[in-house]
Amino acid sequence: TQLLEQSPQFLSIQEGENLTVYCNSSSVFSSLQWYRQEPGEGPVLLVTVVTGGEVKKLKRLTFQFGDARKDSSLHITAAQPGDTGLYLCAGFLRTQGGSEKLVFGKGTKLTVNP
Amino acid sequence: GAVVSQHPSWVICKSGTSVKIECRSLDFQATTMFWYRQFPKQSLMLMATSNEGSKATYEQGVEKDKFLINHASLTLSTLTVTSAHPEDSSFYICSAGQGAYGLAYEQYFGPGTRLTVT
Repeated sequence: TQLLEQSPQFLSIQEGENLTVYCNSSSVFSSLQWYRQEPGEGPVLLVTVVTGGEVKKLKRLTFQFGDARKDSSLHITAAQPGDTGLYLCAGFLRTQGGSEKLVFGKGTKLTVNP
Repeated sequence: GAVVSQHPSWVICKSGTSVKIECRSLDFQATTMFWYRQFPKQSLMLMATSNEGSKATYEQGVEKDKFLINHASLTLSTLTVTSAHPEDSSFYICSAGQGAYGLAYEQYFGPGTRLTVT
């Protein structure tokens, strides 16, 4: 069972278009992160959202954390070919032992065509 | 920014042999290191959490006798895949954190190691 569901799984758009990627769960997360991963490389952190309802902007990328801290979205405005990549959401779950672990979604593979 | 390296970046080994993967934090001391595995078209799955000077904590379903983890210093953790089989072929990624014990905040990911077992 996938704890974090990302949609869409694949997305191919033209340069200049806007897009939104969703990350949903039935679990509550203490915080959530978005990463971008290139083929054959490790993921690179884009943003961490902590407070329910929080909105963070990173240039043309807007990240939102749901009020109930169960879901998040990534919106890209005027997409460019350089935005092409695998976008992963990951949530922090507190374990019974009190430690935290990061749980990843399957990712959204974005292709922006020139 | 914090840099994490992995070595080797890719390795091919024969079935039944053991392979060691190193994860190093280059410019900071990592109290905690995490090992993930990523199969094609799948998400990263946490295998184990490694704290310097103590035994690693393995996730459910991960064989601790098969995936040996050693975190001997604050800058180095190693993952040894023992008696590797083709089904162990995967992309192994480590991350290093500076947070307090057991907390996953501020993880910095390595570039990954592609393991192929023939």
